[in-house]
Amino acid sequence: SQTIHQWPATLVQPVGSPLSLECTVEGTSNPNLYWYRQAAGRGLQLLFYSVGIGQISSEVPQNLSASRPQDRQFILSSKKLLLSDSGFYLCAWSILTDTQYFGPGTRLTVL
Amino acid sequence: KNEVEQSPQNLTAQEGEFITINCSYSVGISALHWLQQHPGGGIVSLFMLSSGKKKHGRLIATINIQEKHSSLHITASHPRDSAVYICALPNRDDKIIFGKGTRLHILP
Repeated sequence: SQTIHQWPATLVQPVGSPLSLECTVEGTSNPNLYWYRQAAGRGLQLLFYSVGIGQISSEVPQNLSASRPQDRQFILSSKKLLLSDSGFYLCAWSILTDTQYFGPGTRLTVL
Repeated sequence: KNEVEQSPQNLTAQEGEFITINCSYSVGISALHWLQQHPGGGIVSLFMLSSGKKKHGRLIATINIQEKHSSLHITASHPRDSAVYICALPNRDDKIIFGKGTRLHILP
């Protein structure tokens, strides 16, 4: 069966510090991978999606970036965090545009 | 105008009540998703449907493609059903767009 992992579960970082959130999927090959953010009081927002290794599409201009170094690994990064980057970050996978399966999420607080 | 509208935004009901959450959209779609987000933040995909009706336990989802409307029903609601329910669908560029969610609170 397929599983999706995200870490860390929670993170508190100062403004201006770097960020690296990792997401890995097991039990499937060549999934579509997604990064979403849910800011306080707001809905889910798609940040990045990837249909294959090294293929990243950005949905929202921001100081975040994503990389997919391996088929089932998706990384969300920032060189310098902003206060507005605080939120709940969710990784998801799907086969093509079928049902998306979400990871447990990372709660990021930028102080 | 938002492409996905959910109603109501908030809903409080007594245990056992029949619950209906609505989702209207303005884009042509191939399928629509209903998601459940628990207080801790974790999200579970409940249904993906492209026509008609699907049932899973006490949950029923219906969709009317012509009217661009979907409903999520919960029969015999229980406090553990308390969560945020989110409607999501791919837009014309095949990106997933989300409704703002319906916060459901079932009182014991």
